[in-house]
Amino acid sequence: EIVLTQSPGTLSLSPGERATLSCRASQSVSDSYLAWYQQKPGQAPRLLIYGASSRATGIPDRFSGSGSGTDFTLTISRLEPEDFAVYYCQQYGSSPVTFGGGSKVEIK
Amino acid sequence: QVQLVESGGGAVQPGRSLKLSCAASGFAFSGFAMHWVRQAPGKGLEWVAAIPYDGSTEHYADSVKGRFAISRDNSKNTLYLQMNSLRVEDTAVYHCARVGPATTMFKFFFDYWGQGTLVTVSS
Repeated sequence: EIVLTQSPGTLSLSPGERATLSCRASQSVSDSYLAWYQQKPGQAPRLLIYGASSRATGIPDRFSGSGSGTDFTLTISRLEPEDFAVYYCQQYGSSPVTFGGGSKVEIK
Repeated sequence: QVQLVESGGGAVQPGRSLKLSCAASGFAFSGFAMHWVRQAPGKGLEWVAAIPYDGSTEHYADSVKGRFAISRDNSKNTLYLQMNSLRVEDTAVYHCARVGPATTMFKFFFDYWGQGTLVTVSS
């Protein structure tokens, strides 16, 4: 199965700053079938990005996804207070689907 | 709006059984494949099981195959997970999730998730 490694584990930033999160796959993710989710404590995960770069319905354009092959990135252009959360990547190009271990974006 | 509400979690001893439910509303439940995904305390996410819109097949992670059974009742807009022979390592929050657009039974992501129900397996 494909192992996804997310970095950094924790990112400490201030509102208004840019966040760049990485998701690296142990082998190539076919068709760039990679999704990103946001999760806040006690809440359900929320879909942000699918197909590596397509924003889900209702997701603000400050969230963007990029990458292909084994290296993918989620960028939050200007952090809003509600963006401080844990972010997970998920590959769905190979069975079984797998998730990364998460990256926490915390307030500095 | 789409809502998925899980129930049925609790504390059980190893080897015992538990049945989870997920009540769906706000969308045409019978038209979507549905899944269970779990999250161990302080850990990441793990896909558990899947069932297509008509319940015709079932798919499982190796870690639960032969012990868990996914099912659905489209007349009640409800998804189920029967968990047998529970192990300590099954302790997790169990989320039900709806598949996103343009997905298949083997290549899928999730556009809506429930908040989850906690299952604790301990002696």
